[in-house]
Amino acid sequence: SQTIHQWPATLVQPVGSPLSLECTVEGTSNPNLYWYRQAAGRGLQLLFYSVGIGQISSEVPQNLSASRPQDRQFILSSKKLLLSDSGFYLCAWSRLGAGNEQYFGPGTRLTVT
Amino acid sequence: LAKTTQPISMDSYEGQEVNITCSHNNIATNDYITWYQQFPSQGPRFIIQGYKTKVTNEVASLFIPADRKSSTLSLPRVSLSDTAVYYCLVGDRGEVRFGAGTRLTVKP
Repeated sequence: SQTIHQWPATLVQPVGSPLSLECTVEGTSNPNLYWYRQAAGRGLQLLFYSVGIGQISSEVPQNLSASRPQDRQFILSSKKLLLSDSGFYLCAWSRLGAGNEQYFGPGTRLTVT
Repeated sequence: LAKTTQPISMDSYEGQEVNITCSHNNIATNDYITWYQQFPSQGPRFIIQGYKTKVTNEVASLFIPADRKSSTLSLPRVSLSDTAVYYCLVGDRGEVRFGAGTRLTVKP
């Protein structure tokens, strides 16, 4: 069976500090991978998606970046966090050809202070 | 990408059937219609997906009329644990946009 992992579960970082969130998927190959952010009480905002190693599409211009160094690893980074980067960060995966059927990780709650 | 419109909130009682309708007038030929459920502090959970007519699984049914400009998620006999936010999405290849969703509250 497939499993998706995210870490850390919670994170408190000062403004201007760097960020690295990691997501890994087990039990599948060549997944599509996604990073979302959810502000408190709001819907999900798609940040990045990837259809393969080194292939990243960005949805929203911001101070965040994403990388996919391995087939089942997706990393979200920032060089300098802003207060507005606070939120619930979710990684998801889907199979090629499965439409919009995505499976989400447990999420990382990021608070920028 | 097609925009979706669904009610902001709905109330129901335990044991009732709940129908949540979503409008997607600009749905494209290749788009799927997908529904998710989300509890607080958790990622969304896939419920059901369809392209046309009716789809049923162990937790819900999805009704899609011939013109595909709307869809209805049907939850049979809801319980308190079905209180959550429900999202309707349209698109293909996973490039979707989550809207505000419908906040369903099930009362005893």
